[in-house]
Amino acid sequence: GQQLNQSPQSMFIQEGEDVSMNCTSSSIFNTWLWYKQDPGEGPVLLIALYKAGELTSNGRLTAQFGITRKDSFLNISASIPSDVGIYFCAGQLSDSGNTPLVFGKGTRLSVIA
Amino acid sequence: DTGVSQNPRHKITKRGQNVTFRCDPISEHNRLYWYRQTLGQGPEFLTYFQNEAQLEKSRLLSDRFSAERPKGSFSTLEIQRTEQGDSAMYLCASSLVLSGELFFGEGSRLTVL
Repeated sequence: GQQLNQSPQSMFIQEGEDVSMNCTSSSIFNTWLWYKQDPGEGPVLLIALYKAGELTSNGRLTAQFGITRKDSFLNISASIPSDVGIYFCAGQLSDSGNTPLVFGKGTRLSVIA
Repeated sequence: DTGVSQNPRHKITKRGQNVTFRCDPISEHNRLYWYRQTLGQGPEFLTYFQNEAQLEKSRLLSDRFSAERPKGSFSTLEIQRTEQGDSAMYLCASSLVLSGELFFGEGSRLTVL
């Protein structure tokens, strides 16, 4: 099946630092999404990307849909303690939503105050 | 709260017992998805519905797993003759048709003893 490779697997950063994580695939995706999951909870949608090259922000979060359509990155600026959690990228092959979202294994973020 | 609702949140059962999880999607969403998540992994797609039609079920893990959405509103996921390997978080998500943006519930955590 399709696989998304997320890196890094985990990160420890100081409060206030910027964070960057990325996701790559051997397949071309038409949609990229980024989710955050807190322990014991379901994933929460952060950003959705629909066009190659698209750069989208949501507060301190910025994500980009790679030009090759095989990758995406997520940046978090000026990290705060509540940014702690697991960040997942997810990709969808089709435009119509008829193929399921495929998820990466996640990047675990820890913020040291 | 008009988000996706799942219950029970936690279920502990003995091996060999049957369990059923319920999901109530966001009311205007036509599509409903079931995913499974094990420790350290991203969500893994199981099945999805558009209204009451189950459009993809080949990813259900075995014939012990079944899902229904009889009236196109809530859905149930049943696991028969549970095994210890079934222990996981079972996530439900919903979306509008033609949208790749899935909104997840808080999940139902299953522990099989």
